[in-house]
Amino acid sequence: AQSVAQPEDQVNVAEGNPLTVKCTYSVSGNPYLFWYVQYPNRGLQFLLKYITGDNLVKGSYGFEAEFNKSQTSFHLKKPSALVSDSALYFCAVRDDTGGFKTIFGAGTRLFVKA
Amino acid sequence: KAGVTQTPRYLIKTRGQQVTLSCSPISGHRSVSWYQQTPGQGLQFLFEYFSETQRNKGNFPGRFSGRQFSNSRSEMNVSTLELGDSALYLCASSPGTSPSTDTQYFGPGTRLTVL
Repeated sequence: AQSVAQPEDQVNVAEGNPLTVKCTYSVSGNPYLFWYVQYPNRGLQFLLKYITGDNLVKGSYGFEAEFNKSQTSFHLKKPSALVSDSALYFCAVRDDTGGFKTIFGAGTRLFVKA
Repeated sequence: KAGVTQTPRYLIKTRGQQVTLSCSPISGHRSVSWYQQTPGQGLQFLFEYFSETQRNKGNFPGRFSGRQFSNSRSEMNVSTLELGDSALYLCASSPGTSPSTDTQYFGPGTRLTVL
């Protein structure tokens, strides 16, 4: 079965510094990978996705993610963090076992300190 | 366009009762998926509907059911509520026929508390 892992429960970074939120995946076949963000008391918002093509995917709010097939990773990055980036981030992958569905990682809470 | 709307936003029920949650997708979206979010289990897939047909169901007991109407609005029902059903229930709509590859647009969720 497909799976996705976010190895860090929490990431702390100072405002203005670069941030990375890690994600690794396990799929058979071509991976379909996503990042979503959740702000308090809100639903999830789409940031970016990788279906095929360039390994560097650019998304909303200045975020980007690098697809690395050899390391089976899809880390989310931003060159300069903002306090307003503080939120819960989810990596997700398409699972095609027993019908297509999206499975989400456990989430990584990002704290950006002013 | 208006976003995905979910009603009610908050709900308090007691064990043994049943509950119905509603989701209105973005206009023109025909795919609707439901997820349960809890601190312990994270986000778990419940079901997916397209054109009034349930195309996939997650690993949940039969107490959890859903349907989709001809206008793409969807409802989910939980019968015989248990304490463990307390969660944030999220609905997402997507524009194409395959939510697992499309961008999903999430509603704000319904917070269900079972006492």
